Formats: sequence, C-alpha cells, structure tokens
Amino acid sequence: QQPVQSPQAVILREGEDAVINCSSSKALYSVHWYRQKHGEAPVFLMILLKGGEQKGHEKISASFNEKKQQSSLYLTASQLSYSGTYFCGTEAVLDSNYQLIWGAGTKLIIKP
Amino acid sequence: KAGVTQTPRYLIKTRGQQVTLSCSPISGHRSVSWYQQTPGQGLQFLFEYFSETQRNKGNFPGRFSGRQFSNSRSEMNVSTLELGDSALYLCASSLAGLNNEQFFGPGTRLTVL
Repeated sequence: QQPVQSPQAVILREGEDAVINCSSSKALYSVHWYRQKHGEAPVFLMILLKGGEQKGHEKISASFNEKKQQSSLYLTASQLSYSGTYFCGTEAVLDSNYQLIWGAGTKLIIKP
Repeated sequence: KAGVTQTPRYLIKTRGQQVTLSCSPISGHRSVSWYQQTPGQGLQFLFEYFSETQRNKGNFPGRFSGRQFSNSRSEMNVSTLELGDSALYLCASSLAGLNNEQFFGPGTRLTVL
C-alpha cells in the first residue's frame, strides 16, 4: 500500500517555509525521506524510526507520528537548492520480504 | 570516495530481447538494491542483495532477476523485454541494508521499442 504524499506540488519563494506530509494506511515502523533533482539520483535526507530515533542530516527536520501513521518533512527558510521532488518511503513486509514502498512524490519549486 | 556507478547509462532494446544492467556499489557497502522508476508508477523496489544473497524482493515478475558478486558488484537481468519495461533503473548501495542510508547511482535509462 503506497503511502500518500501531500501536497503533490508546491511553489515557494526563496525564504518561505514548506511542509510535506506522508501518510500510510498501515502501521509505520520507519519513514525514509529522499530528494531527487531533475535528471539526478535520489539523495538521502532522513530516516525516522518508531520510538523516536532519527538518522539524517542536521539541517533537515521531520516528525513521525506513529498514532496518526504519518510523517512530515519541514523545510524552513527554503533555498533555491531545495528544489526537487521529495519522496517518502515506508516499510512493508509481504511474504517474509521486507521492502520499501515509495510515495508518488512531492514536487517542490523554489523561485528567487 | 567514489560513488555508485551504473553501466550502461542508456540502452535501447526491442521487445523480446533481454538486457543486463550493472551496478558497482560504494567500496565497503555490502547491500545493493534495485529500483524501477517510471512517470506512471513512480519508484518501485525490485530486490536487495546482501553478501551475494537475495535478501528481499519486490512484486515484480520472474523476468526480473539479479545477482551479486563477491566484490559486491551487482547485475540485474530482464528477460523477454516488454514495452512497459521502459524505465530508469536505479541501484543503491548501503552499508547494512534497506533501513540505512542508501546511496543511489545515476541510473540506466532503458527504452524498449
């Protein structure tokens, strides 16, 4: 079951803030966030684990609400370099196979 | 430290053919995962190899297979290509597996005619 990301797209002016949400219909054990710029490979931002542990880069902040089965990525004082498509991935275990299921992405455009 | 490399970067094949894609992970990384990315379906997990063993598998048909060598390099094979296999195929490496930071390669753009 693919996680649902919102919004699908957002346009900001440099310096403005953005929140990107990722919701799942299933219980979440971890949420993974990546950013992909056009024509480039996805780049790791953060992993949020059940219980509150986070692995990631200090400049990015995110929340993980286990009860609501959702995560939010906070981009404050956005810079032009923040432009790209943001993907969240959630865990799924099917037939003893562990895999990451990815959301459809949120396209973020930052204008000067 | 060299990043993840994938070869070839672009490939054009016809329906029914087979194709092999290659991925060289970051030195020291034992986990290699493969993903298919298309505009319609987004990013989809194919499989993960760890120390030469397939550890996890996504929901793709058996035409998609892979292997990993003792130096952690990995190959992905797609047999009997279909038009719908046209996609960007990404591989990613990590130290310990899917629940850790993954480093993606630039991808192989496969076009099936």
